Amino acid sequence: NAGVTQTPKFQVLKTGQSMTLQCAQDMNHNSMYWYRQDPGMGLRLIYYSASEGTTDKGEVPNGYNVSRLNKREFSLRLESAAPSQTSVYFCASNGLAANTGELFFGEGSRLTVL
Amino acid sequence: QQQVKQSPQSLIVQKGGISIINCAYENTAFDYFPWYQQFPGKGPALLIAIRPDVSEKKEGRFTISFNKSAKQFSLHIMDSQPGDSATYFCAASGNSGYSTLTFGKGTMLLVSP
Repeated sequence: NAGVTQTPKFQVLKTGQSMTLQCAQDMNHNSMYWYRQDPGMGLRLIYYSASEGTTDKGEVPNGYNVSRLNKREFSLRLESAAPSQTSVYFCASNGLAANTGELFFGEGSRLTVL
Repeated sequence: QQQVKQSPQSLIVQKGGISIINCAYENTAFDYFPWYQQFPGKGPALLIAIRPDVSEKKEGRFTISFNKSAKQFSLHIMDSQPGDSATYFCAASGNSGYSTLTFGKGTMLLVSP
């Protein structure tokens, strides 16, 4: 059982380039999330999708877009990467509302923007 | 603004000692308080969680203590082991409609042999 799978694991971009981080879960969860983790800043929510067909902004959405492709997949897109977007990105999912269920995280995608 | 304040940022404990990490919150609507554990190169994983209807929850060597009036909760790791060395995040979420988790900034714990 793979759980939450993120690709790629590592990526180096130049300023202004675009890229998409992919996330897929095989637990039939309704809700999916994208977080970024920076030293001393904890985990900050970028976007989330409470259910298939819906997406909402989190705490730090600027510079990002998301697509809930189907129930399994939730992608995060950087249209024009900036050095401030250098971070480790985590996708997560859970089967119930966040206030009642465990979040399952992927292993992260480490992005460097030069 | 929803906020969860976590301290200390880092902690060094000797093997066999007690590790204590504290969190404080402001939003009285929060009613779910999980702790997540993260090892280097891995994603966070749920360690233990508590709701405000109890003041303490224990699972093995890990205990959450909850003080509703002070709006504080803490993680105690008894008999700390080198394998407990990780980053720990407290979090909180509310009870109104759909609520996402708000995380503290994390505590890096090192348990020395």
